[in-house]
Amino acid sequence: DAGVTQSPTHLIKTRGQQVTLRCSPKSGHDTVSWYQQALGQGPQFIFQYYEEEERQRGNFPDRFSGHQFPNYSSELNVNALLLGDSALYLCACGASGGADTQYFGPGTRLTVL
Amino acid sequence: AQSVTQPDIHITVSEGASLELRCNYSYGATPYLFWYVQSPGQGLQLLLKYFSGDTLVQGIKGFEAEFKRSQSSFNLRKPSVHWSDAAEYFCAVGARGDYKLSFGAGTTVTVRA
Repeated sequence: DAGVTQSPTHLIKTRGQQVTLRCSPKSGHDTVSWYQQALGQGPQFIFQYYEEEERQRGNFPDRFSGHQFPNYSSELNVNALLLGDSALYLCACGASGGADTQYFGPGTRLTVL
Repeated sequence: AQSVTQPDIHITVSEGASLELRCNYSYGATPYLFWYVQSPGQGLQLLLKYFSGDTLVQGIKGFEAEFKRSQSSFNLRKPSVHWSDAAEYFCAVGARGDYKLSFGAGTTVTVRA
């Protein structure tokens, strides 16, 4: 058990809407990365947050934004949802480093209709 | 840019038989290499990781992997599979000072009785 929690578990939205997903790392972890996993594919890196700032970003449009709070928890926001945004969104947490070891949460399944 | 190739999309193995999953990576420097397992509807669980040192790495659940720099490979093995090993397996590469993991497309393992 990685101790990483995500909410909600499942979410259904319609095109054009906005969504917020949440992630809480376990104690001792201060970095949060977000990944998108489309059906049948490996996870794709969206961005990582550390010390409440976005530290690195993958190839995702500005519709994807995030936030990290002082308690290290994080939110992923997606605006103007598209059908192609339907995926499992995973957060991965680690201890102030690079890609040394990241522990994944159970994910949020987003369906866009 | 770093990338990972998992040549086998789907492998079927009999319970008690050995298993080997292939992973090839592309990265200029010394990579950090990982194997994760994902059960249906679940997040990713870390099986093992390689940063440096001994090229044969032991992980959880009886898995091991061998890093071969000359072949740019990091293959995962298990001597005797159990029905509970049926899942999707992902190889990932990271790097010191980088913050993202790059994943392969995954290999689905089916275990037959």
